Amino acid sequence: GEDVEQSLFLSVREGDSSVINCTYTDSSSTYLYWYKQEPGAGLQLLTYIFSNMDMKQDQRLTVLLNKKDKHLSLRIADTQTGDSAIYFCAERGATNKLIFGTGTLLAVQP
Amino acid sequence: EAEVAQSPRYKITEKSQAVAFWCDPISGHATLYWYRQILGQGPELLVQFQDESVVDDSQLPKDRFSAERLKGVDSTLKIQPAELGDSAMYLCASSLQGPSGYTFGSGTRLTVV
Repeated sequence: GEDVEQSLFLSVREGDSSVINCTYTDSSSTYLYWYKQEPGAGLQLLTYIFSNMDMKQDQRLTVLLNKKDKHLSLRIADTQTGDSAIYFCAERGATNKLIFGTGTLLAVQP
Repeated sequence: EAEVAQSPRYKITEKSQAVAFWCDPISGHATLYWYRQILGQGPELLVQFQDESVVDDSQLPKDRFSAERLKGVDSTLKIQPAELGDSAMYLCASSLQGPSGYTFGSGTRLTVV
């Protein structure tokens, strides 16, 4: 079945790079997404990658996809305190619905 | 920037009462989704609409939950009767065809007491 897993927590210092990891099981995933959720708010789309790509860069964000290992990562360069939030990866499979991971809480220490 | 509107923002209800949530998607988005997010977990799809038709409601507890999108625009999600375990954030999202993903509303935080 479809399953998406993430580590629960990551703590970094301001100015360092953050790397959030995700694994998924559905080999038919067409697109993979990263969303950000601040406390009490909805989900904000950060970036996405097509399943036949292995890297995508968007300003401070770099997405790496290892399709063979079904591993997705999000790197945030020069992490700021405003980046503190929960980050969700999600896969979009053949049914077109998004399957979300459990989320990774990113804590940025000043 | 276009947004998905949801109301109410917060709702407290007693167990066994009825509760309803409303969502207005981005204009022109044919696909509308209702997700439930339990505290500490990722969102889970409850129901997906394409225009006014239900595409996927396999995870919707149909004995107590109902959803409609009568004119293919805004949508209502209803719970009757509410149970303590229904306490969660209810998120609405809409999308176009293509890869750009969903746009989520701010959600309705439901607390059942």
